[in-house]
Amino acid sequence: DQQVKQNSPSLSVQEGRISILNCDYTNSMFDYFLWYKKYPAEGPTFLISISSIKDKNEDGRFTVFLNKSAKHLSLHIVPSQPGDSAVYFCAARGVTTDSWGKFQFGAGTQVVVTP
Amino acid sequence: DAGVTQSPTHLIKTRGQQVTLRCSPKSGHDTVSWYQQALGQGPQFIFQYYEEEERQRGNFPDRFSGHQFPNYSSELNVNALLLGDSALYLCASSLLAGLGEETQYFGPGTRLLVL
Repeated sequence: DQQVKQNSPSLSVQEGRISILNCDYTNSMFDYFLWYKKYPAEGPTFLISISSIKDKNEDGRFTVFLNKSAKHLSLHIVPSQPGDSAVYFCAARGVTTDSWGKFQFGAGTQVVVTP
Repeated sequence: DAGVTQSPTHLIKTRGQQVTLRCSPKSGHDTVSWYQQALGQGPQFIFQYYEEEERQRGNFPDRFSGHQFPNYSSELNVNALLLGDSALYLCASSLLAGLGEETQYFGPGTRLLVL
């Protein structure tokens, strides 16, 4: 039962332009969301998070938007740089105590930034 | 400041064998979570340890077990290995898991191949 879905397996974007990565979830009890970046042969690196009490969070070039009614979040990277080429995962956690620590991940989106 | 470390980096086993993977959390962290990542998929939550006890568990059989030591380091044990256990095993650490906005930081992973 895949409760977190990243429907675009890949995204190609030109250097300097905006990258928009999308993530949908089905569980209305999810209250905290994270984005990770993963290079080959490395573990995922934390990028940015957002809790359900907010609809936007910014950190430098990275902005995450949360639309609770649509059960959708997106990650914007502006401007895109060659070093951003990686696989990006969104992850979500439920609000109940039996969900704490139990993050569910999407399948990932491979981003390629071209010169 | 040392991040999350895992050992070994790679491991080859045969069906039916047992394997132990190790993880040292990021300095200051007290909680360790384990994930299994199959090729082309996102990480799947196995379990989480806090105060030397299993605090949360995902949908993995009892062949998967773990342990957390007083210094917060952790082991993942898998018995009676199956070909389908071949995957990247990721360890993530966090502080005071479940209290508000928990961010999990990942290690580089252990690549397990079962022949």
